[in-house]
Amino acid sequence: SQTIHQWPATLVQPVGSPLSLECTVEGTSNPNLYWYRQAAGRGLQLLFYSVGIGQISSEVPQNLSASRPQDRQFILSSKKLLLSDSGFYLCAWSGGNRRWNEQYFGPGTRLTVT
Amino acid sequence: QKEVEQNSGPLSVPEGAIASLNCTYSDRGSQSFFWYRQYSGKSPELIMSIYSNGDKEDGRFTAQLNKASQYVSLLIRDSQPSDSATYLCAVNPYGQNFVFGPGTRLSVLP
Repeated sequence: SQTIHQWPATLVQPVGSPLSLECTVEGTSNPNLYWYRQAAGRGLQLLFYSVGIGQISSEVPQNLSASRPQDRQFILSSKKLLLSDSGFYLCAWSGGNRRWNEQYFGPGTRLTVT
Repeated sequence: QKEVEQNSGPLSVPEGAIASLNCTYSDRGSQSFFWYRQYSGKSPELIMSIYSNGDKEDGRFTAQLNKASQYVSLLIRDSQPSDSATYLCAVNPYGQNFVFGPGTRLSVLP
């Protein structure tokens, strides 16, 4: 079966500090990978998606970036965090050996920028 | 701009009743429709997907799709307090990424 991991689970960072969030998927190959952000009491905002190694599409211009160094690894980064970067960051995957467009979410990382 | 709309709620129903959650979408080219359940502080969990007009049943859940009216709904029969959560509607126009609605908060009262 497929599983998706994210870490860390929670993070408190000062404004201006760097960020690195990691997501890995097990039990499937060549998945589509996604990064979403959910602000408190708000809906899901798609940040980045990737259909393959090194292929990143950005949905929202901001101070975040994403990378996919391996088939089942997706990393979200920032050089300098802003207060507005606080939120619940969710990684999701689709494809592989599941129905191609059903998305499955990881447990999420709750980021608080102080 | 592709949009998905849901009533934010909260929708309150007594235990054992039928909860009805509704969603409308703007893109007529949308092909796939999903319902996610999100408990407070947790990540969304896929509970139903529907691709064709009509009803799709899975246990206590029934998804209904009407593409002509651009409307998708989720019925929860015999609602339980454990069903209390936010329900997210998601729409996937063919070949494009998901568009999520803002979610409807459901409260099932014992």
